[in-house]
Amino acid sequence: SSELTQGPAVSVALGQTVRITCQGDSLRSYSTSWYQQKPGQAPVLVIYGKNNRPSGIPDRFSGSTSGDTASLTITGAQAEDEADYYCNSRDSSYNHLRVFGGGTKLTVL
Amino acid sequence: QVQLVQSGSELKKPGASVNVSCKASGYTFTTYAVHWVRQAPGQGLEWMGWINTITGKAEFAQGFTGRFALSLDTSVSTAYLQVSSPRAEDTAVYYCARAYCSGDCYFDYWGQGTLITVSS
Repeated sequence: SSELTQGPAVSVALGQTVRITCQGDSLRSYSTSWYQQKPGQAPVLVIYGKNNRPSGIPDRFSGSTSGDTASLTITGAQAEDEADYYCNSRDSSYNHLRVFGGGTKLTVL
Repeated sequence: QVQLVQSGSELKKPGASVNVSCKASGYTFTTYAVHWVRQAPGQGLEWMGWINTITGKAEFAQGFTGRFALSLDTSVSTAYLQVSSPRAEDTAVYYCARAYCSGDCYFDYWGQGTLITVSS
């Protein structure tokens, strides 16, 4: 079982806002990064640190954390945002190691 | 530009060791750690471990100790994953990723992935 818990799936209407969450004890102390993965492709970093986007990632992607829950928000979801999303942070028991959440499949309707 | 290029897909019989290479370019190899991630068919990402590209020290997640080894050849900016005595359940795509660490770490560049199929 994963120490970072994500819901398995979420859907959003085109142009609407969707939030994907990631829950875990380590998130109280350590930052979360978020990765987008489309079928047959390598993951792509979309959010890191408190709320930073790598170059090339649209500003409709944002991140936040409250307590033990990190959130990835897509404001105005586009068809191309349909993908699996994974959070990553430190392992709560061995903080020099890392762990991924189980992933959330986003469907854009 | 930064690139991580991995070796090609492999089909292995159970018990025959397999090696995956991850060649970095576009940056100073020893400035960033290399992490490895496994993705079984239809499953999520699983963090396996990482290697310090300065010291060569590797650490693994529980479940990846014993049969998995990480190594480097800094002269050619390449990291390696070795899976000893692979089993059918090791069938997966294996990714290497560069870790940018400043207070905390994130994976800013990824290899394209290497499919390892273990089957008799």
